[in-house]
This record gives sequence, C-alpha cells and structure tokens, in this order.
Amino acid sequence: AQSVAQPEDQVNVAEGNPLTVKCTYSVSGNPYLFWYVQYPNRGLQFLLKYITGDNLVKGSYGFEAEFNKSQTSFHLKKPSALVSDSALYFCAVRDGDDYKLSFGAGTTVTVRA
Amino acid sequence: NAGVTQTPKFRVLKTGQSMTLLCAQDMNHEYMYWYRQDPGMGLRLIHYSVGEGTTAKGEVPDGYNVSRLKKQNFLLGLESAAPSQTSVYFCASSKGGAGGIYNEQFFGPGTRLTVL
Repeated sequence: AQSVAQPEDQVNVAEGNPLTVKCTYSVSGNPYLFWYVQYPNRGLQFLLKYITGDNLVKGSYGFEAEFNKSQTSFHLKKPSALVSDSALYFCAVRDGDDYKLSFGAGTTVTVRA
Repeated sequence: NAGVTQTPKFRVLKTGQSMTLLCAQDMNHEYMYWYRQDPGMGLRLIHYSVGEGTTAKGEVPDGYNVSRLKKQNFLLGLESAAPSQTSVYFCASSKGGAGGIYNEQFFGPGTRLTVL
C-alpha cells in the first residue's frame, strides 16, 4: 500500500528566507509524486509533479522539489518565501498504475513579514 | 472556462437525511474523483470514475454512492447521512488517455457538509 508522511504540522519562516516543506513516501512500485497548495476556503491547486527523469522538478510560483529515491523523499522548496505563500501544503503519491492518489496530512506554512 | 464547479457550497443535514452533491467540469476530462477532507487527515478518496458510465470505490466508500451518466458530471450521493460524514467534500478531474494517471488533478472549491 502507498502512503505519504509530512512530518511537520507547521512551518514558520520569515519573508525572504528559504522555505522547505518535508515529504516522505512509501510505495511498492514506481512513485509518482505531487505537491498541491490549498489557500483558506479554496480547493487544492497543483504546484508540481515528479514522474520520471530529472530529480529536481520546478513548478508554479517559484517552487521546486527534489526527488530522492534512496531517502524516499520529495521535499518542497522555495529559495525566498513570500507572505502570500502562507497556506496549507499537501504532498501526494501514486503507486505505479494505481489510480488512487494518497495525500499526506498537510503542512501549514506561515510566512511572517 | 469555469474549471471544476461544485454545488452546493454549504449544506446542513439531519441524521438520516439524503442528499446529492453535484460536480461539473468543462475541461473534457476523462477522470473524475470525490474526496473528503478532515482535519489532520489530508484528503481521502471516496469514489472515482475513469470514464462516462464507470465508477470505482476508493479508500472510504462506505455510506456513499456515485454516478457518472455524463462525461462532464460526477454525482456523490449520501443515502442516509450520519454525523461521521460531516466533512468538506472536494471533487477533482484530470485528463485521461495514454499516461493519464500521471496527470495532475484539478479541484473544485469544495462543499462543506454538516450532519447533525
């Protein structure tokens, strides 16, 4: 069975500082990994995904994520956080050909001015 | 292009009542999904559909039924609502075709359901 862990419920950073949101996964086959962001009272928005190829994936709004197979991780990063990045972030994994997308519990990011 | 829309946005039910949540997408996507979001648990898949006329169970299907009579619509039904079904419900859709399961999902704004 596939699963995702987001070890931090909350991440607090100052504006302009680097932002990292951690994600580790467990699958039996090939992992297909996604990051989504949710702003208050809104649906989820896609940020980026890793399917195959380059381990460093670039996505929307200046975010990037690095796939690390040996550590089974897919951490989300942004070099310089903005106050507007404050939101709830979800990591998700799909195991091989399974249609099911498993989501982590989410990490609340707060960027202070 | 409205994307994925959901109706209603809010609903309060009494235990035992029934209701249907409607999801519509205008992106001609083959795949559609229903999730529920509960605090500290992320999103959990209730049911999904890979095409018109087909549905399948997800992670937490008990107490829910779905139908996909038209490609653009995906209905979620609660036949006899229970307080445990109090949640925020999200519909999503994604492209199908070759490699379809690798495509990102597009989410609706959600329906906040309270069962008393």
